Amino acid sequence: DQQVKQNSPSLSVQEGRISILNCDYTNSMFDYFLWYKKYPAEGPTFLISISSIKDKNEDGRFTVFLNKSAKHLSLHIVPSQPGDSAVYFCAAKDNNDMRFGAGTRLTVKP
Amino acid sequence: DSGVTQTPKHLITATGQRVTLRCSPRSGDLSVYWYQQSLDQGLQFLIQYYNGEERAKGNILERFSAQQFPDLHSELNLSSLELGDSALYFCASSSRAGFQETQYFGPGTRLLVL
Repeated sequence: DQQVKQNSPSLSVQEGRISILNCDYTNSMFDYFLWYKKYPAEGPTFLISISSIKDKNEDGRFTVFLNKSAKHLSLHIVPSQPGDSAVYFCAAKDNNDMRFGAGTRLTVKP
Repeated sequence: DSGVTQTPKHLITATGQRVTLRCSPRSGDLSVYWYQQSLDQGLQFLIQYYNGEERAKGNILERFSAQQFPDLHSELNLSSLELGDSALYFCASSSRAGFQETQYFGPGTRLLVL
């Protein structure tokens, strides 16, 4: 039962352009959403989060947008840099559970 | 470096065996979470402990168990191992109990069951 879905397994963008990673969820009880970045051989690293009471949260080059009616969130990275190349996981929480998407592998080409 | 340590880094064992994975949370963090990342299932939440007590349970099999000790380190015990248990096991820690807290992940233990 996949409550959090990342439908694009991979994304390739040119350095300096915008990267947009998407995530959909089905459980309306989720009230907090996060994005994690994962490099090979390392654990996931927290990137940015958003509460369900907001529709946008920005941190430097990273912005997360939440559309509750569509049960959709997205992560925008602008400008993209080669060091951003990693697997990105979205995650959704309620009080007692946390679900992750399958991840999207982002490749930023120089 | 997240401050969360996991040992061992790699583990190779045979079906039917039992293994113990260890996690030390960041200094001051009271919550420990265990996750399994397998090729076909992605990252899955297994179980959470807060200050020694089980706090939340996810998709953890009955063959698996965990505990958190007074010094706050945690162990995940996997028994009667099957080939499908081969995966990367992460632990994460946070300062408080709620899932709203940011979790900091360790580097993982890669388990291979032959």
